[in-house]
Amino acid sequence: AQSVTQLGSHVSVSEGALVLLRCNYSSSVPPYLFWYVQYPNQGLQLLLKYTSAATLVKGINGFEAEFKKSETSFHLTKPSAHMSDAAEYFCAVSTGGGNKLTFGTGTQLKVEL
Amino acid sequence: SQTIHQWPATLVQPVGSPLSLECTVEGTSNPNLYWYRQAAGRGLQLLFYSVGIGQISSEVPQNLSASRPQDRQFILSSKKLLLSDSGFYLCAWSVLRGGAGTQYFGPGTRLLVL
Repeated sequence: AQSVTQLGSHVSVSEGALVLLRCNYSSSVPPYLFWYVQYPNQGLQLLLKYTSAATLVKGINGFEAEFKKSETSFHLTKPSAHMSDAAEYFCAVSTGGGNKLTFGTGTQLKVEL
Repeated sequence: SQTIHQWPATLVQPVGSPLSLECTVEGTSNPNLYWYRQAAGRGLQLLFYSVGIGQISSEVPQNLSASRPQDRQFILSSKKLLLSDSGFYLCAWSVLRGGAGTQYFGPGTRLLVL
């Protein structure tokens, strides 16, 4: 069975600083990996996804993530945080066969002036 | 373009009352459909998914049920709500089978059971 671990339920950064949100996965087969963002009282929006093409994936709003098979990681980064990046971020892995996603428990990102 | 609707947006119900939440998708055909619940301070829990009309898979045993009476309509129901049913309910759809398909989420329904 696939699983996802997001280290740090809360992360705080200063505006303009690097954003790093950690995600490690467990999968017995090559995974499909996703990052979603959720703003308060809204649904989830796709930031980016890895589907076995390039290991460095670029997404919306300046975010990117790198798939590292040796580390079973898919960390999300952004060079310079903006106040509008404050939200909850979810990493997910696809289990295949019906396209089910297994989500991590989420990381709440706070951006401070 | 595809859109997904959920209603109601907010619902306050007494314990023991019935529930019906509706989700509809426009602009696509034969989608996979999903119901998730997000409890306060917790991640997303997959409740049900459907790959076609009348085909429902339950992920977690509970007092909720789901139905798919039409290709692009997915309904979440309960005969008697429990306090523990409170949460944020999200519907999602995808079209690509085999694991690579992105899931697209609706705006959600906030349910408070008192």
